[in-house]
Amino acid sequence: EAGVTQSPTHLIKTRGQQATLRCSPISGHTSVYWYQQALGLGLQFLLWYDEGEERNRGNFPPRFSGRQFPNYSSELNVNALELEDSALYLCASSMGASGLQPQHFGDGTRLSIL
Amino acid sequence: AQTVTQSQPEMSVQEAETVTLSCTYDTSESDYYLFWYKQPPSRQMILVIRQEAYKQQNATENRFSVNFQKAAKSFSLKISDSQLGDAAMYFCAYRRWETSGSRLTFGEGTQLTVNP
Repeated sequence: EAGVTQSPTHLIKTRGQQATLRCSPISGHTSVYWYQQALGLGLQFLLWYDEGEERNRGNFPPRFSGRQFPNYSSELNVNALELEDSALYLCASSMGASGLQPQHFGDGTRLSIL
Repeated sequence: AQTVTQSQPEMSVQEAETVTLSCTYDTSESDYYLFWYKQPPSRQMILVIRQEAYKQQNATENRFSVNFQKAAKSFSLKISDSQLGDAAMYFCAYRRWETSGSRLTFGEGTQLTVNP
């Protein structure tokens, strides 16, 4: 069974540009979560999608947005990139939204802002 | 809001020895889940072990076990017979029981070094 896959592995952008990160959940998983792992800030929750709807959002500005497609894959969009957006972005999926279901993580996308 | 604290930024252990990683958390809820994740240099977060707060029995997964003290809001991870492959960053995480708040809240992490 394939795990959570994220693309691209590494993305290099400049300030002010827009970035799109993609995530494919494990087959059968309907919930997708996005986390930011910035140096010195730990893992911070960004967004949670379940059944195509945004269910919860972390303390991030509106230029961080995303969506979930009918096949449960997800995109994270970051507009007007700033230097502090440089981080590892991790996607996780779970089988449903229950807290009992563990979240399985992908390898992440390393976003570097020059 | 829930918070998770890992007070040991770095730990080291000799191969085949036992090491315990500490984690404390703060919550006003009675039902929740606790997890330990491992992040090796490959970056992927790997679930090591989980504990449901309503269960009194401590979870065990092979060489990994936890000491869950609900009243003290403590959730430590014990790694027995440490192996070189156990070297990684370990994160303690909390998750609410209800579906509406299904995010994971992570601690700052503990970098574990295993010495041969």
